[in-house]
Amino acid sequence: DTGVSQDPRHKITKRGQNVTFRCDPISEHNRLYWYRQTLGQGPEFLTYFQNEAQLEKSRLLSDRFSAERPKGSFSTLEIQRTEQGDSAMYLCASSWDRDAEKLFFGSGTQLSVL
Amino acid sequence: LAKTTQPISMDSYEGQEVNITCSHNNIATNDYITWYQQFPSQGPRFIIQGYKTKVTNEVASLFIPADRKSSTLSLPRVSLSDTAVYYCLLERGSTLGRLYFGRGTQLTVWP
Repeated sequence: DTGVSQDPRHKITKRGQNVTFRCDPISEHNRLYWYRQTLGQGPEFLTYFQNEAQLEKSRLLSDRFSAERPKGSFSTLEIQRTEQGDSAMYLCASSWDRDAEKLFFGSGTQLSVL
Repeated sequence: LAKTTQPISMDSYEGQEVNITCSHNNIATNDYITWYQQFPSQGPRFIIQGYKTKVTNEVASLFIPADRKSSTLSLPRVSLSDTAVYYCLLERGSTLGRLYFGRGTQLTVWP
């Protein structure tokens, strides 16, 4: 068990470009979450999957954001037409149904939009 | 979910016991109190969770009074490596994993 893995760790992009992040959860975890964190603030919930089904999306997740978890394993988060306000740390977490209150977070992807 | 209130920052010295208090006046009957720890450039890490009275694990203790309107995270004999942000959250069974973190408490441990 290597924990939750996120790739890349850092991403620098120009405004208007599309970016995609990947998250590999702990293998036996069926729940997967995406959070976003800006400097000095706590993480904010974006979306949640149970297996391959996306069960909830926050109002923070605008139409430019899309998340997938095609086979109930890894997940991707895509941001289209990035804006400077999208600059943040994007965190992925996973948990297991039988211990769902304990989330395991990855180290995040730091996005900088220039 | 009801929000929590905790100090923005705290300072301590190595070897001391640190108590971080969190207020949650509007806690609901089915809310659990959960604490996470976050180091710079890392995701948060689950520390402890409780519903009432006292919970202890290898990392910390959590004290919850009978009215559950507050809770105290106790870290025994802190070291420099305990310098981190500590978040107090309320977690409800129906919204497991969809956590509201707030700004947390920045604990700085000095030598």
